[in-house]
Amino acid sequence: DGGITQSPKYLFRKEGQNVTLSCEQNLNHDAMYWYRQDPGQGLRLIYYSQIVNDFQKGDIAEGYSVSREKKESFPLTVTSAQKNPTAFYLCASSIGFETQYFGPGTRLLVL
Amino acid sequence: QQPVQSPQAVILREGEDAVINCSSSKALYSVHWYRQKHGEAPVFLMILLKGGEQKGHEKISASFNEKKQQSSLYLTASQLSYSGTYFCGTVADSWGKLQFGAGTQVVVTP
Repeated sequence: DGGITQSPKYLFRKEGQNVTLSCEQNLNHDAMYWYRQDPGQGLRLIYYSQIVNDFQKGDIAEGYSVSREKKESFPLTVTSAQKNPTAFYLCASSIGFETQYFGPGTRLLVL
Repeated sequence: QQPVQSPQAVILREGEDAVINCSSSKALYSVHWYRQKHGEAPVFLMILLKGGEQKGHEKISASFNEKKQQSSLYLTASQLSYSGTYFCGTVADSWGKLQFGAGTQVVVTP
């Protein structure tokens, strides 16, 4: 079955620690995205990538980093520089102007 | 720039109708509508391309007024399953970067 998978479902971060959220898609989509959602809020774009080995900052990129070494994979690292990382993180993918399809999300909590 | 959605929230009884509006200050290429249930990922409902077409998904339909840069989502004869937060996403850039609105929370009661 084609789709987007994210892991883990829940992630706990200790102070000063970097953590990496996984996003994999087998839809053969060129574009991939990372969004952050805070409780009761909309979706804010962190990073996006249109092709392999290329990515651009979104609206709230500070404290985050990404890589796009394979078409199928777009991992997000939440660095220690992100002082308020607690949120619901959503990965999405699309073909050009077409619809963005979302993964199930990862909930990040700070210990 | 983020599109503006209204209202922020709406409470309906089963069977009632509602309209959610999404407006932008930019010329738009397309409008996307999503519904998100609590704790879940947003689910795509429909996309409207410029040209004023109207689309439907079961008893949920939408229109796109290109001149006003506005889209409306119509919930007809609402069902309990329609509860959730509805987001519009607008595309104005050439490469299709979606800008999401803040969302409209819909609660349908028995």
